[in-house]
Amino acid sequence: DADVTQTPRNRITKTGKRIMLECSQTKGHDRMYWYRQDPGLGLRLIYYSFDVKDINKGEISDGYSVSRQAQAKFSLSLESAIPNQTALYFCATSGTGTSGYTGELFFGEGSRLTVL
Amino acid sequence: RKEVEQDPGPFNVPEGATVAFNCTYSNSASQSFFWYRQDCRKEPKLLMSVYSSGNEDGRFTAQLNRASQYISLLIRDSKLSDSATYLCVVNPPSGNTPLVFGKGTRLSVIA
Repeated sequence: DADVTQTPRNRITKTGKRIMLECSQTKGHDRMYWYRQDPGLGLRLIYYSFDVKDINKGEISDGYSVSRQAQAKFSLSLESAIPNQTALYFCATSGTGTSGYTGELFFGEGSRLTVL
Repeated sequence: RKEVEQDPGPFNVPEGATVAFNCTYSNSASQSFFWYRQDCRKEPKLLMSVYSSGNEDGRFTAQLNRASQYISLLIRDSKLSDSATYLCVVNPPSGNTPLVFGKGTRLSVIA
């Protein structure tokens, strides 16, 4: 089983619909992230959370919201989806090793969202 | 200057060739650096960490030049399976802000 699991893996929806992408991890990491990836634009950070009570905006948070329900769960919501939110979305986690924060990110397999 | 810059490529090289990518970063206080590999439509995965003067792992060598603020990735004896996008990633100095990703360099190794 994957250490970082995203659901759904693929979703097609219509403009104006509410969509939730879920992420769960079994790595015991405290830090979780949501990215979107578009061709030619690379990975862009939407939101991140360093602990259960911590939520921070990334560079492209408009139109998105998140919830950190537990250390292992971090969900991303699109309250009213629009076509330019069509993208590949990745959840990632990171944590500390024996010598401190490692800086390594572990990604889920991605959620491909299409908004018509 | 962008935080992390990479040549997007594509780099098209024959099997067996040696290829090198560079990546520049803007924050001179950055402490740690990484190369990630991303296959088409897949998630990025850590390829190598780059600390102090760099390191080597088989056919892959990563180097850091602090004076010029760039890191490099050298791939020797390229294989078809090396075809992927290579992402340069920088850890900001505070450690309490997320990693900064470059947009990636695409490599195609051709037979």
